[in-house]
Amino acid sequence: DVKVTQSSRYLVKRTGEKVFLECVQDMDHENMFWYRQDPGLGLRLIYFSYDVKMKEKGDIPEGYSVSREKKERFSLILESASTNQTSMYLCASSLSTSTSTDTQYFGPGTRLTVL
Amino acid sequence: GQNIDQPTEMTATEGAIVQINCTYQTSGFNGLFWYQQHAGEAPTFLSYNVLDGLEEKGRFSSFLSRSKGYSYLLLKELQMKDSASYLCAALRPTGGSYIPTFGRGTSLIVHP
Repeated sequence: DVKVTQSSRYLVKRTGEKVFLECVQDMDHENMFWYRQDPGLGLRLIYFSYDVKMKEKGDIPEGYSVSREKKERFSLILESASTNQTSMYLCASSLSTSTSTDTQYFGPGTRLTVL
Repeated sequence: GQNIDQPTEMTATEGAIVQINCTYQTSGFNGLFWYQQHAGEAPTFLSYNVLDGLEEKGRFSSFLSRSKGYSYLLLKELQMKDSASYLCAALRPTGGSYIPTFGRGTSLIVHP
């Protein structure tokens, strides 16, 4: 079974703090994604990566950056957390997007609260 | 631009059939996914359609019409455990990759 893990289920940070959200997958997937999920807005793509050290902006990249130094790990960074970044953050991975048929496997999510 | 529409909420009775619709407008299209998400849990894959027609998988079926930009998820013999949010996602090309654009999800409530 594919396993996608995220470093924390719940996180509370203060405004202005630097925040790291870590995601690890164990199935040698090429592609990894970071989403945020908010009530009434659904899943919105922040960043994705299709290879080590490669990254692409999604639909809402502002205020975020990412890092992919190793194939299995994809980190989401909030350089200076703000209250409007309070959300559920979901990481996902897929084998390859080149065929367009690959399912995404999601991690359990990190509920981040910024005070 | 990308636009995915699905109803916000639906209710149905245990044992009944329910159809959740999804319409999409994307710049480029390479198939449509349906995911199920129980409260507090991660989304899990249900189905993928890239060709027109109906794909059946047990109690769940998914239909796609590319010309109409329309899909639906059909759930038969509803069970209480089917109460969840159902996410529609259209796959679109970007550069050398394909990425999904998700709808806002349909919350399905199954009551006895």
